[in-house]
Amino acid sequence: AAGVIQSPRHLIKEKRETATLKCYPIPRHDTVYWYQQGPGQDPQFLISFYEKMQSDKGSIPDRFSAQQFSDYHSELNMSSLELGDSALYFCASSTHEGVNEQFFGPGTRLTVL
Amino acid sequence: AQRVTQPEKLLSVFKGAPVELKCNYSYSGSPELFWYVQYSRQRLQLLLRHISRESIKGFTADLNKGETSFHLKKPFAQEEDSAMYYCALTFKAAGNKLTFGGGTRVLVKP
Repeated sequence: AAGVIQSPRHLIKEKRETATLKCYPIPRHDTVYWYQQGPGQDPQFLISFYEKMQSDKGSIPDRFSAQQFSDYHSELNMSSLELGDSALYFCASSTHEGVNEQFFGPGTRLTVL
Repeated sequence: AQRVTQPEKLLSVFKGAPVELKCNYSYSGSPELFWYVQYSRQRLQLLLRHISRESIKGFTADLNKGETSFHLKKPFAQEEDSAMYYCALTFKAAGNKLTFGGGTRVLVKP
Protein backbone atom coordinates (compact mmCIF):
# COMPACT_ATOMS: atom_id res chain seq x y z
CA ALA A 1 0.00 0.00 0.00
CA ALA A 2 1.16 3.53 -0.73
CA GLY A 3 2.60 5.34 2.24
CA VAL A 4 3.36 8.94 3.03
CA ILE A 5 6.28 10.16 0.96
CA GLN A 6 8.65 12.90 2.06
CA SER A 7 11.38 14.52 0.08
CA PRO A 8 14.19 15.02 0.38
CA ARG A 9 15.14 12.44 2.97
CA HIS A 10 18.25 14.36 3.95
CA LEU A 11 19.09 18.03 3.56
CA ILE A 12 22.14 20.01 4.54
CA LYS A 13 21.97 23.79 4.58
CA GLU A 14 24.02 26.69 5.82
CA LYS A 15 22.79 29.22 8.37
CA ARG A 16 20.51 31.87 6.89
CA GLU A 17 19.68 29.72 3.87
CA THR A 18 16.20 28.54 2.97
CA ALA A 19 14.83 25.02 2.72
CA THR A 20 11.69 23.47 1.30
CA LEU A 21 10.41 20.13 2.54
CA LYS A 22 7.74 18.24 0.66
CA CYS A 23 5.12 15.78 1.81
CA TYR A 24 2.88 13.59 -0.32
CA PRO A 25 0.01 12.09 1.69
CA ILE A 26 -1.58 8.72 1.24
CA PRO A 27 -4.15 8.81 -1.59
CA ARG A 28 -7.57 10.01 -0.42
CA HIS A 29 -6.12 11.51 2.75
CA ASP A 30 -7.12 15.15 2.95
CA THR A 31 -5.32 16.19 6.13
CA VAL A 32 -1.61 16.74 6.56
CA TYR A 33 0.35 17.35 9.76
CA TRP A 34 3.93 18.52 10.24
CA TYR A 35 6.02 17.62 13.29
CA GLN A 36 9.55 18.58 14.30
CA GLN A 37 11.74 16.22 16.32
CA GLY A 38 14.95 17.73 17.65
CA PRO A 39 17.87 15.54 18.76
CA GLY A 40 16.81 13.48 21.75
CA GLN A 41 13.40 15.13 21.86
CA ASP A 42 9.85 13.99 21.23
CA PRO A 43 8.03 15.09 18.09
CA GLN A 44 6.45 18.53 18.40
CA PHE A 45 3.44 19.56 16.33
CA LEU A 46 4.10 22.43 13.94
CA ILE A 47 1.09 22.92 11.69
CA SER A 48 -1.71 21.06 9.94
CA PHE A 49 -3.86 21.48 6.86
CA TYR A 50 -7.27 20.22 5.81
CA GLU A 51 -8.57 20.72 2.30
CA LYS A 52 -5.81 23.21 1.55
CA MET A 53 -6.65 25.39 4.54
CA GLN A 54 -4.56 25.68 7.69
CA SER A 55 -6.48 23.81 10.37
CA ASP A 56 -4.20 24.20 13.37
CA LYS A 57 -0.92 25.77 14.32
CA GLY A 58 1.55 24.76 16.97
CA SER A 59 5.00 25.96 17.89
CA ILE A 60 6.03 26.94 14.39
CA PRO A 61 8.47 29.84 14.07
CA ASP A 62 7.43 32.84 12.01
CA ARG A 63 10.37 32.03 9.70
CA PHE A 64 8.51 28.90 8.65
CA SER A 65 5.49 28.77 6.40
CA ALA A 66 3.57 25.91 4.88
CA GLN A 67 0.77 25.23 2.49
CA GLN A 68 -1.27 22.42 1.07
CA PHE A 69 -1.90 22.21 -2.64
CA SER A 70 -4.87 21.04 -4.70
CA ASP A 71 -3.40 17.54 -4.99
CA TYR A 72 -3.15 17.53 -1.16
CA HIS A 73 0.62 17.49 -1.05
CA SER A 74 2.15 19.94 1.36
CA GLU A 75 5.34 21.96 1.49
CA LEU A 76 7.10 23.37 4.53
CA ASN A 77 9.20 26.41 3.71
CA MET A 78 11.90 27.40 6.14
CA SER A 79 13.82 30.64 5.80
CA SER A 80 16.73 32.24 7.63
CA LEU A 81 17.75 28.83 8.90
CA GLU A 82 19.34 28.63 12.32
CA LEU A 83 21.47 25.91 13.88
CA GLY A 84 18.56 25.04 16.16
CA ASP A 85 16.42 24.14 13.17
CA SER A 86 18.45 20.98 12.73
CA ALA A 87 15.95 18.23 13.34
CA LEU A 88 13.92 15.43 11.84
CA TYR A 89 10.77 16.77 10.23
CA PHE A 90 7.89 14.33 10.01
CA CYS A 91 4.83 14.65 7.89
CA ALA A 92 1.70 12.62 8.66
CA SER A 93 -1.58 12.27 6.83
CA SER A 94 -5.06 11.14 7.75
CA THR A 95 -8.66 11.46 6.76
CA HIS A 96 -10.59 14.20 8.46
CA GLU A 97 -13.56 12.38 9.96
CA GLY A 98 -13.42 11.61 13.65
CA VAL A 99 -10.17 10.95 15.37
CA ASN A 100 -8.28 8.92 12.88
CA GLU A 101 -4.92 7.27 12.74
CA GLN A 102 -2.16 9.45 11.41
CA PHE A 103 0.20 7.72 9.03
CA PHE A 104 3.72 9.05 9.21
CA GLY A 105 6.29 9.57 6.52
CA PRO A 106 9.93 8.57 6.95
CA GLY A 107 10.93 12.11 7.81
CA THR A 108 13.37 14.62 6.37
CA ARG A 109 16.55 15.05 8.35
CA LEU A 110 17.62 18.68 8.12
CA THR A 111 21.12 19.63 9.19
CA VAL A 112 21.98 23.31 9.43
CA LEU A 113 25.70 24.07 9.49
CA ALA B 1 -2.46 22.51 28.20
CA GLN B 2 -2.32 18.80 27.60
CA ARG B 3 0.84 16.91 28.49
CA VAL B 4 2.09 13.34 28.11
CA THR B 5 4.78 11.94 30.38
CA GLN B 6 6.80 8.79 29.85
CA PRO B 7 9.00 8.52 32.93
CA GLU B 8 11.36 5.85 31.62
CA LYS B 9 13.80 6.82 28.87
CA LEU B 10 15.17 3.30 28.60
CA LEU B 11 13.81 -0.10 29.51
CA SER B 12 16.09 -3.10 29.23
CA VAL B 13 14.57 -6.55 29.67
CA PHE B 14 15.47 -10.11 28.83
CA LYS B 15 13.63 -12.04 26.16
CA GLY B 16 10.56 -13.70 27.62
CA ALA B 17 10.28 -11.27 30.51
CA PRO B 18 7.29 -8.98 30.95
CA VAL B 19 7.63 -5.38 29.90
CA GLU B 20 5.54 -2.38 30.94
CA LEU B 21 5.96 1.10 29.54
CA LYS B 22 4.41 3.81 31.63
CA CYS B 23 2.46 6.72 30.22
CA ASN B 24 0.65 9.39 32.18
CA TYR B 25 -1.25 12.29 30.72
CA SER B 26 -2.80 15.50 31.84
CA TYR B 27 -5.92 16.71 30.08
CA SER B 28 -9.19 17.75 31.61
CA GLY B 29 -11.45 16.40 28.89
CA SER B 30 -11.81 13.07 27.13
CA PRO B 31 -8.65 12.35 25.19
CA GLU B 32 -7.80 9.75 22.64
CA LEU B 33 -4.64 7.88 23.57
CA PHE B 34 -2.25 6.11 21.25
CA TRP B 35 0.98 4.17 21.35
CA TYR B 36 3.29 4.66 18.39
CA VAL B 37 6.38 2.55 17.75
CA GLN B 38 9.48 3.35 15.76
CA TYR B 39 11.72 0.42 14.84
CA SER B 40 15.31 1.08 13.89
CA ARG B 41 15.51 3.21 10.75
CA GLN B 42 11.78 2.98 10.14
CA ARG B 43 8.98 5.49 10.32
CA LEU B 44 6.62 6.00 13.25
CA GLN B 45 3.71 3.60 13.08
CA LEU B 46 0.62 3.17 15.16
CA LEU B 47 0.75 0.27 17.59
CA LEU B 48 -2.40 0.73 19.63
CA ARG B 49 -5.23 3.16 20.21
CA HIS B 50 -7.33 2.97 23.33
CA ILE B 51 -10.71 3.10 21.63
CA SER B 52 -10.06 -0.08 19.69
CA ARG B 53 -9.25 -2.06 22.84
CA GLU B 54 -7.30 -4.64 20.87
CA SER B 55 -4.02 -6.46 21.31
CA ILE B 56 -1.34 -5.89 18.69
CA LYS B 57 1.84 -8.00 18.60
CA GLY B 58 0.98 -9.17 22.11
CA PHE B 59 0.82 -5.62 23.47
CA THR B 60 -2.15 -4.26 25.37
CA ALA B 61 -2.87 -0.91 26.92
CA ASP B 62 -5.69 0.11 29.19
CA LEU B 63 -6.84 3.65 29.68
CA ASN B 64 -7.22 4.42 33.38
CA LYS B 65 -9.02 7.73 33.63
CA GLY B 66 -8.77 7.80 37.41
CA GLU B 67 -5.00 7.57 37.31
CA THR B 68 -4.77 9.36 33.92
CA SER B 69 -2.56 6.59 32.65
CA PHE B 70 -2.26 4.50 29.50
CA HIS B 71 0.48 2.02 30.28
CA LEU B 72 1.63 -0.41 27.58
CA LYS B 73 2.21 -4.01 28.56
CA LYS B 74 3.45 -7.24 27.05
CA PRO B 75 3.76 -10.41 29.12
CA PHE B 76 6.63 -11.96 27.16
CA ALA B 77 9.00 -9.58 25.39
CA GLN B 78 10.64 -10.63 22.13
CA GLU B 79 13.87 -9.36 20.60
CA GLU B 80 11.93 -7.83 17.72
CA ASP B 81 10.14 -5.60 20.23
CA SER B 82 13.31 -3.56 20.62
CA ALA B 83 12.29 -0.10 19.43
CA MET B 84 11.34 3.41 20.49
CA TYR B 85 7.83 3.71 21.85
CA TYR B 86 5.88 6.96 22.06
CA CYS B 87 2.67 7.54 23.93
CA ALA B 88 0.53 10.22 22.32
CA LEU B 89 -2.68 12.08 23.04
CA THR B 90 -5.18 13.97 20.98
CA PHE B 91 -8.73 15.21 21.29
CA LYS B 92 -11.33 16.27 18.80
CA ALA B 93 -11.07 19.98 19.58
CA ALA B 94 -7.34 19.77 18.92
CA GLY B 95 -7.96 19.00 15.29
CA ASN B 96 -6.37 15.60 15.85
CA LYS B 97 -2.88 16.99 16.36
CA LEU B 98 -0.83 14.62 18.48
CA THR B 99 0.96 15.53 21.68
CA PHE B 100 3.77 13.05 22.24
CA GLY B 101 5.51 11.88 25.35
CA GLY B 102 9.28 11.84 25.48
CA GLY B 103 9.51 8.26 24.33
CA THR B 104 10.84 5.08 25.90
CA ARG B 105 13.53 3.03 24.25
CA VAL B 106 13.00 -0.69 24.81
CA LEU B 107 15.93 -3.05 24.52
CA VAL B 108 15.14 -6.75 24.65
CA LYS B 109 18.22 -8.80 25.34
CA PRO B 110 18.57 -12.43 24.27
